[in-house]
This record gives sequence, structure tokens and C-alpha cells, in this order.
Amino acid sequence: GAVVSQHPSRVICKSGTSVKIECRSLDFQATTMFWYRQFPKKSLMLMATSNEGSKATYEQGVEKDKFLINHASLTLSTLTVTSAHPEDSSFYICSARLTIGTGSPQETQYFGPGTRLLVL
Amino acid sequence: GQNIDQPTEMTATEGAIVQINCTYQTSGFNGLFWYQQHAGEAPTFLSYNVLDGLEEKGRFSSFLSRSKGYSYLLLKELQMKDSASYLCAAPYNTDKLIFGTGTRLQVFP
Repeated sequence: GAVVSQHPSRVICKSGTSVKIECRSLDFQATTMFWYRQFPKKSLMLMATSNEGSKATYEQGVEKDKFLINHASLTLSTLTVTSAHPEDSSFYICSARLTIGTGSPQETQYFGPGTRLLVL
Repeated sequence: GQNIDQPTEMTATEGAIVQINCTYQTSGFNGLFWYQQHAGEAPTFLSYNVLDGLEEKGRFSSFLSRSKGYSYLLLKELQMKDSASYLCAAPYNTDKLIFGTGTRLQVFP
């Protein structure tokens, strides 16, 4: 099956520092990846769509200068939380889109294991 | 706009059958996904329905009625490890997914 990895799985940092999270599709190429955040007992909220070779598309209310996204290759997207503050503490999850089949292709998002960020 | 509703919590006993419902309102329709998410972990793909009817995959089945904007996930022969959140999700704007709040299922012995 399609495997997506994320690194690190958990990070604790001081307020004001920047944190980079990597998302990799291990056995397939993904021109599109997505970044979500999830608060406890809440559903996933899409932050941005990461497109290989072009700028990311951010959802309304998400600061693009705070959450920098780079989709450097067909298997890697990075999310950098700049000048992190305690309110940025959350569970960040990436997904990679895989299209299978022809004619009526099925597009499925496969999720990474998530990164738990705690900003002190 | 886009909207997905599902019950917040459900409980069931080991060995039983449980049905988790999902109603959706989306502009256009491109299928419906079900994901399972254990606490502290990322969602894992369970099923995708784009045509009406029931699709069975082992102990899990997913049903879709496009005319009613309704889907359900059916879990048979429940096991303790099935305790998790079950997320209903629908694509919109070509490639994005909107998720429901998730249904937390607790299976008791």
C-alpha cells in the first residue's frame, strides 16, 4: 500500500523558534500533498495544499508567512512553523494524494503518522 | 457550502455490529471516504464510495446513497481494537477533503 512518513514524530521547542516538519511519500510520487492540523478531540482542518514545483495554496485564515511550505520534489514536502508560539501546539498531519486507475481514476489521500508539536 | 455531519460518540460491545452514519452536503459530488483514526495517530484509509450501494471489505462495509446525501460505515464482529474515531470525508474543489468531526467509537468487552 501507499506509505507516507513524517519526521519528526514529536517535537518540543521554545517559543520564538522555528520547527521544520518533513513529509515523504515512500513508495509513490505525489505532485500534491496536504497539510492538516488537529486539536484534541477535533477533526482535521486543512491548512494548505502543497504543489510540487509551485507555490502552496493556503486555506482561509492560515498565515502563509508563519507556515512555510516547500514541495521540493515529488516525494517530499516540508512545513516550517516559524516563530512558534504556544498556541501553535497541535498535531500536524500531512497526506499525499495517489491517483490509481484510468478512465475514472480514484484519488485517495494517504496520511503520514503525524507530528505532535509542543511549544513551551 | 460544504458540510458533513456524523454522531459524536457511539458505544458497542465486542462481537456486535455497529453502524456509523454520515450525512453530507457538498457542491458537486466526487465520492465519499471513510477513515479510521486511533487516538494520537494519523487517519488510515478504510473505504471510498462513488456509486450507490454497499461495498464490503472484510468486517467493514460502507454504503452510499447519493440521492439522500447519506453514507454509513458498518462494522461487524466488533473487536476491542476497533475502538477509534471514524471520519467521514468528502472531496471538494477537485482535490481537497473536508472531514466530519469524527465519531468516537468505544467497544466494551
